[in-house]
Amino acid sequence: AQSVAQPEDQVNVAEGNPLTVKCTYSVSGNPYLFWYVQYPNRGLQFLLKYITGDNLVKGSYGFEAEFNKSQTSFHLKKPSALVSDSALYFCAVRDRTGRRALTFGSGTRLQVQP
Amino acid sequence: DAGVIQSPRHEVTEMGQEVTLRCKPISGHDYLFWYRQTMMRGLELLIYFNNNVPIDDSGMPEDRFSAKMPNASFSTLKIQPSEPRDSAVYFCASSRTSGQGTYEQYFGPGTRLTVT
Repeated sequence: AQSVAQPEDQVNVAEGNPLTVKCTYSVSGNPYLFWYVQYPNRGLQFLLKYITGDNLVKGSYGFEAEFNKSQTSFHLKKPSALVSDSALYFCAVRDRTGRRALTFGSGTRLQVQP
Repeated sequence: DAGVIQSPRHEVTEMGQEVTLRCKPISGHDYLFWYRQTMMRGLELLIYFNNNVPIDDSGMPEDRFSAKMPNASFSTLKIQPSEPRDSAVYFCASSRTSGQGTYEQYFGPGTRLTVT
């Protein structure tokens, strides 16, 4: 069975500072990995994905994520946080079989202080 | 494109009543997913369809829940009878097939269901 762990319920960072939201996964074989963001009273919005190739993936709004196979991690990063980045962030994984369902982590609330 | 459309956005009903949630996926997408989000359990997959055919309904909580997809443009999730523990936000998402089967899912705004 596949699973995702987001060890931090909340991350606090000052505006302008770099941010990291952590994610580790467990899956049979090589994974497909995704990050989504959820703003209050909204659906999840896709940020970025890792499929294959370069371990550093760049996505929307200046976010990037680094795939580390040996540590089974896919941490989300941004060099300079904005107050508007404050939201709930979800990491998700699926395996490379035919099953298309994603398994989501529990979410990490990012709070960026002005 | 209008994105994934869900209706209603909010639903308040009494225990025992039937509830029907509706979803229109993005045109051209051949996969449709229903999720439920609660504080206690997070985001859970209920069921997903491929080309209007249910593929995996192992996440459907019990027989009170049913989902249909009569055509490529419309899906429903029905709860009958509803119970207070069904209170949650229900999301619909869609995606399309690629050679690698890796396309991301696009989510609708959700339906907030409250059962009193």
